[in-house]
Amino acid sequence: DAGITQSPRHKVTETGTPVTLRCHQTENHRYMYWYRQDPGHGLRLIHYSYGVKDTDKGEVSDGYSVSRSKTEDFLLTLESATSSQTSVYFCAISDLGQGFLEHNEQFFGPGTRLTVL
Amino acid sequence: AQSVTQLDSHVSVSEGTPVLLRCNYSSSYSPSLFWYVQHPNKGLQLLLKYTSAATLVKGINGFEAEFKKSETSFHLTKPSAHMSDAAEYFCVVISTTSGTYKYIFGTGTRLKVLA
Repeated sequence: DAGITQSPRHKVTETGTPVTLRCHQTENHRYMYWYRQDPGHGLRLIHYSYGVKDTDKGEVSDGYSVSRSKTEDFLLTLESATSSQTSVYFCAISDLGQGFLEHNEQFFGPGTRLTVL
Repeated sequence: AQSVTQLDSHVSVSEGTPVLLRCNYSSSYSPSLFWYVQHPNKGLQLLLKYTSAATLVKGINGFEAEFKKSETSFHLTKPSAHMSDAAEYFCVVISTTSGTYKYIFGTGTRLKVLA
């Protein structure tokens, strides 16, 4: 298995509190992603990073911010958690392939189950 | 932009019978396509990937998928279902927009295997 860990694995918090989720990789992959998974929606991209300090928004980025100060760590922060952010959050990593403009598959972490009361 | 559509949200098969999970894609050029499996309360695991080398792709656990450009399809099959195949399956395409790359997920197909 690819070396990806997420912490915490479970968290219950209250509306309005800040929350930070951590993703740590030992694969030295360039790209890192944060997704949320909700029933009927598959996985939706929140933010991604294409290098240290290089990040961009995904399709559901409102209410979330990210930071990547080291290759191996990608943090997701909910500035003020809301009940609509109750979800399972997955981190993923990927890297460039051998061919021109080729991207390899993503590898996923085990997920963090977040409940906002 | 590229996209994928998984045609069935739920599929039920009997153990020992064939599995077919359908995925259609939309892409203006030859895409990179993937199938992932997610068992309950687990992360996603790569089953197989297509990157234009061969149209019939073999993956883990006896799964395979065939890339059909004329039908814009990448259906996942397995000759004989096993109880352990019960899971959710996701078809994924890489989307490129203005030089950036994103993985676009289908909404998933939940496979149920009946004893």
